[in-house]
Amino acid sequence: GQQLNQSPQSMFIQEGEDVSMNCTSSSIFNTWLWYKQDPGEGPVLLIALYKAGELTSNGRLTAQFGITRKDSFLNISASIPSDVGIYFCAGQLIWAGKSTFGDGTTLTVKP
Amino acid sequence: DTGVSQNPRHKITKRGQNVTFRCDPISEHNRLYWYRQTLGQGPEFLTYFQNEAQLEKSRLLSDRFSAERPKGSFSTLEIQRTEQGDSAMYLCASSLGGQDEQYFGPGTRLTVT
Repeated sequence: GQQLNQSPQSMFIQEGEDVSMNCTSSSIFNTWLWYKQDPGEGPVLLIALYKAGELTSNGRLTAQFGITRKDSFLNISASIPSDVGIYFCAGQLIWAGKSTFGDGTTLTVKP
Repeated sequence: DTGVSQNPRHKITKRGQNVTFRCDPISEHNRLYWYRQTLGQGPEFLTYFQNEAQLEKSRLLSDRFSAERPKGSFSTLEIQRTEQGDSAMYLCASSLGGQDEQYFGPGTRLTVT
């Protein structure tokens, strides 16, 4: 089945720094989604992308749908302590109901 | 709060017992999904419903697992004869339609002792 490779697996950064993480797939998706999950909670949707090449922002977060439709990127600018958590990418196909998730990038922000 | 809700939030059970979880989706959402998540992994798809019809089941969903959405609103996930390997976070999500974003509930953490 489809697999998503998310990198890096973890990041330790200083408050105020910018962060970049990405997700790659062996096959194409029609929709890319980025979620953030805090310990003991469900994932919270951050950004949804629907078209190849699309660049979408949500506050300090910016995500891009790769031209090949096999990858996506998430950037966080000027990180703050509450950005700490696990970030997941997910891909969807039009004909399939489910989302396929990566294994997450764990972000730690040092004040 | 009109988000996805799940009950209970935590469940501890002994091996061999049956457990049932409930999910209440966002009210106007037609699609409801169940995922399972273990430590260090992303959510893995189990099954989904379009209204009351169960349209897809993952191979992860053994015959000990059953899910229902009888009136197209809330859903239940039952695990019979639980095993230690069933210990995980069980997540429910809902969406308006098939191509729409999925919104997750807070999850039910199951511990099988």
